[in-house]
Amino acid sequence: DAGVIQSPRHEVTEMGQEVTLRCKPISGHNSLFWYRQTMMRGLELLIYFNNNVPIDDSGMPEDRFSAKMPNASFSTLKIQPSEPRDSAVYFCASSPRTGKNIQYFGAGTRLSVL
Amino acid sequence: KQEVTQIPAALSVPEGENLVLNCSFTDSAIYNLQWFRQDPGKGLTSLLLIQSSQREQTSGRLNASLDKSSGRSTLYIAASQPGDSATYLCAIGGGGADGLTFGKGTHLIIQP
Repeated sequence: DAGVIQSPRHEVTEMGQEVTLRCKPISGHNSLFWYRQTMMRGLELLIYFNNNVPIDDSGMPEDRFSAKMPNASFSTLKIQPSEPRDSAVYFCASSPRTGKNIQYFGAGTRLSVL
Repeated sequence: KQEVTQIPAALSVPEGENLVLNCSFTDSAIYNLQWFRQDPGKGLTSLLLIQSSQREQTSGRLNASLDKSSGRSTLYIAASQPGDSATYLCAIGGGGADGLTFGKGTHLIIQP
């Protein structure tokens, strides 16, 4: 199995631009999580899906952030418009059932907003 | 709201030593606890998962314990090696289909 696949690995953009991060979970996993990691705040849960349905988006910082999971094999996290304070590493993780089981993390997307 | 604290924030020890990393959490109503390893610029690798009904888990030179009543977990690394150098993260899974609440990690350096 290829594991959780995230793209791009690195993204550099200018303030005000739209950014889309992508995630392909492990096949057969039905829970998907988006996290953000910064030096100041560590790793924080942004949103998670169960069976493609958003369950809890209370961690999404602002309306500029949105996430979708159109099918079981693909999810996106979009930031529009982006701001310098959005600079962070964004991780996607998947789990074979609900959060009761081990979560498998992708390699992350390092986002720099100039 | 669950809060997770890891002590120490950083640790440097000579190769071969046994060491203990600590994790504490404020809400004992947890479902499970995971220890992860993160190498620089990389994602997270799950090391051990302890369900709330368990007291410990072992994998090779690693042993993790869980004491829900006191809100503590420890990760014991035996006979440390330079390849163990990484950041170790403790994460709590709440009841039901929750995501994980992470500590800020312990940055471990094993000196050859």
